[in-house]
Amino acid sequence: DAKTTQPNSMESNEEEPVHLPCNHSTISGTDYIHWYRQLPSQGPEYVIHGLTSNVNNRMASLAIAEDRKSSTLILHRATLRDAAVYYCILRDGAAGSARQLTFGSGTQLTVLP
Amino acid sequence: KAGVTQTPRYLIKTRGQQVTLSCSPISGHRSVSWYQQTPGQGLQFLFEYFSETQRNKGNFPGRFSGRQFSNSRSEMNVSTLELGDSALYLCASSELSDRFSGANVLTFGAGSRLTVL
Repeated sequence: DAKTTQPNSMESNEEEPVHLPCNHSTISGTDYIHWYRQLPSQGPEYVIHGLTSNVNNRMASLAIAEDRKSSTLILHRATLRDAAVYYCILRDGAAGSARQLTFGSGTQLTVLP
Repeated sequence: KAGVTQTPRYLIKTRGQQVTLSCSPISGHRSVSWYQQTPGQGLQFLFEYFSETQRNKGNFPGRFSGRQFSNSRSEMNVSTLELGDSALYLCASSELSDRFSGANVLTFGAGSRLTVL
């Protein structure tokens, strides 16, 4: 899978929006962009994914750059429960590609009360 | 519906022993994969099973093995434990079928934390 680059850590104030960036300059046309997060003492949790268009769900929004070389996970109103490590992962949808998730080091999000 | 269940949640073993970890996937999910998480290496893929067959394997020694049963439940085994095997072992299930899609989503369990003394 192509590599992603994320900041090691970010801080946000409670009830404010959070924009978590991810660079993936070597993304291929068949790569899906996935976001997972891992809360303390828990397994990773799926957040959102997209291919080309921006996506919204009950947890977050995913904004994908027009050239697909970067994306941003948007938490509209951060809560203390959103403090976690956020992973941006590319998943190749092409036939015969590796099926596992390749995790990087992620972004540690701290939410300040 | 119930999530992915991993047992035991915590266990302590000594070097040279072996350990078996269990994973019950979400009902209807036929794919189960395993990951190891350590502070130094992060999350690393171990192996994936679908319909009782290992479909993919990560870069781990042969001491790490697994299997999947006909009800999709899975076990992983680590033999001749080493101190470096201390980690959180995570199981994930998905509705993955042979028609793999990059859009496929994994649901993880809470993990089994293994400490090797």
